Amino acid sequence: SQQGEEDPQALSIQEGENATMNCSYKTSINNLQWYRQNSGRGLVHLILIRSNEREKHSGRLRVTLDTSKKSSSLLITASRAADTASYFCATESGYSTLTFGKGTMLLVSP
Amino acid sequence: DAGITQSPRHKVTETGTPVTLRCHQTENHRYMYWYRQDPGHGLRLIHYSYGVKDTDKGEVSDGYSVSRSKTEDFLLTLESATSSQTSVYFCAISSSGQGNTIYFGEGSWLTVV
Repeated sequence: SQQGEEDPQALSIQEGENATMNCSYKTSINNLQWYRQNSGRGLVHLILIRSNEREKHSGRLRVTLDTSKKSSSLLITASRAADTASYFCATESGYSTLTFGKGTMLLVSP
Repeated sequence: DAGITQSPRHKVTETGTPVTLRCHQTENHRYMYWYRQDPGHGLRLIHYSYGVKDTDKGEVSDGYSVSRSKTEDFLLTLESATSSQTSVYFCAISSSGQGNTIYFGEGSWLTVV
């Protein structure tokens, strides 16, 4: 069963706009990760945030984690057409393996 | 790109036939995983390995078996393929099982007719 659930399922924006995706989960976690998948390709790791961290940045990506609300958000600033992809959150709990959500499909139009 | 090679990349097979998918890595990572990806379900873990000959079941292991006789190779076998096993299968690797990035292969598209 899915631990993380992304919201929205699909997001359509214009180039230059910011894109925000959210992930909610059910049980306590060790860390939460975000991955990106271009159509027909494998997933690529974007960023990992540990349970004792509240915010991390990587280039145009900003991830926040609120463990009290069991939620995370991924912000992509100044989106580009090349950011068009599906984005997945994945949670790690206890000694278990990563559990992935169903993903958010992001479409960035030129 | 992480050194992960999946084969075959595309396969069509008939119901009831056995199928083996191979994952080969050149990174010497200890952990290897097999996921399946289906519309509406995201990625689900089938089996994983934490060392040579050490494997464990994931969320959707029924109908699948795995073997790992060498660090670099992780095989996924569908003993008797069914239409419900039509999916995209991804192999992934990581250096440890906790708190580490997972690197994915490019996927194997399997159609069972």
